[in-house]
Amino acid sequence: EADIYQTPRYLVIGTGKKITLECSQTMGHDKMYWYQQDPGMELHLIHYSYGVNSTEKGDLSSESTVSRIRTEHFPLTLESARPSHTSQYLCASSDLGTNYGYTFGSGTRLTVV
Amino acid sequence: GENVEQHPSTLSVQEGDSAVIKCTYSDSASNYFPWYKQELGKRPQLIIDIRSNVGEKKDQRIAVTLNKTAKHFSLHITETQPEDSAVYFCAAVRGPNFGNEKLTFGTGTRLTIIP
Repeated sequence: EADIYQTPRYLVIGTGKKITLECSQTMGHDKMYWYQQDPGMELHLIHYSYGVNSTEKGDLSSESTVSRIRTEHFPLTLESARPSHTSQYLCASSDLGTNYGYTFGSGTRLTVV
Repeated sequence: GENVEQHPSTLSVQEGDSAVIKCTYSDSASNYFPWYKQELGKRPQLIIDIRSNVGEKKDQRIAVTLNKTAKHFSLHITETQPEDSAVYFCAAVRGPNFGNEKLTFGTGTRLTIIP
């Protein structure tokens, strides 16, 4: 089924560790996004991409980085996790110019201890 | 850039009553307005949307109205049920070729349906 998939669903990790949150979509969408969201709260855009080799920072400053080497894959990396990074991270995708709505992944709930 | 304000931030209604959530936007070029519903522990999902060439759109118990002159749009839920309890987000984007435009989201409304 065409969808957007995020792994892991939950992650508890120690301070200082490097982590990568995975996001893949099988819808052939050009645009992909990462949002940070505390449970039930505002959606904060931290990164987005309009296609392969295109990445931009979002409205909320983040210490994370992203890459877009393949259309379907948009991983987010934290080089050194801190407790302040504890949050939910949502990945989303949309078509370039035709499909107006976003499809969200189920999210990764990250806890840094 | 676009700025979307959403009110109220929390809303509690008796089961069976109606709920209304309002959003205002700043960019007069915005012309697509989706609404997302996020249930507890789940992903936001598109529930209804409206484009600027129409003033109202309905889908069963939910409807969205748009006032372009006043730059505001609203979500209306009638005959509310417990499963309507969720956080609702409005959004706006300019078009018609959405190209490199991004959705600007409101800050969300937590709707609680009281049995």
